[in-house]
Amino acid sequence: QSALTQPPSASGSPGQSVTISCTGTSSDVGGYNLVSWYQQHPGKAPKLMIYEVSKRPSGVPDRFSGSKSGNTASLTVSGLQAEDEADYYCSSYAGGNNVFGSGTKVTVL
Amino acid sequence: EVQLVESGGGMVQPGGSLRLSCAVSGFTFSNYRMTWVRQAPGEGLEWVARIKEDGSEKYYVDSVKGRFTISRDNAKNSLFLQMNSLRAEDTAVYYCVRGQHSHDYWGQGALVTVSS
Repeated sequence: QSALTQPPSASGSPGQSVTISCTGTSSDVGGYNLVSWYQQHPGKAPKLMIYEVSKRPSGVPDRFSGSKSGNTASLTVSGLQAEDEADYYCSSYAGGNNVFGSGTKVTVL
Repeated sequence: EVQLVESGGGMVQPGGSLRLSCAVSGFTFSNYRMTWVRQAPGEGLEWVARIKEDGSEKYYVDSVKGRFTISRDNAKNSLFLQMNSLRAEDTAVYYCVRGQHSHDYWGQGALVTVSS
């Protein structure tokens, strides 16, 4: 039940794109198409941004997209905006339990 | 409007117990698996426990097995987390969240502080 591995930080200028990776194993990320991504602003509860690898909940801008290859999932934020500055966490089903990633702080320069 | 409201947080000494509650409204509670997620101060999210719609299946992260118990009362639209033998490392904000594989609704969180 080790946390999924994410880079501690990522950054980009407004309008640019940033991609965050989430690396697990064949027992979690690689074994199921059940990866989700959450955005968390300081002092707030997390918000679901992507589910089942690449699906967007209603109301989430299409600037947010998800993908997966093998044991690594990715979240791409295109056309960065100031309000995208936040912490981002991936999560995967792991056969009974779930596991979260270590988190990535995205800074909009 | 979907609402999840946690209560029962507070400060407790190491070895003590606390029971968190989550009152749910705005959706058919008995149709959803429910989960507890926690976040230690300044740290990331940690999945804690999940319960099936009818309460027949429960899953826990290894670090709380044998100490925490997740339960639910579908008649009262409520989710619970009984926490025993609390340790300093259990200090965190505990979130009540809807769903199994992804979590579309979150409560505001309840702070649990374990300290002497």
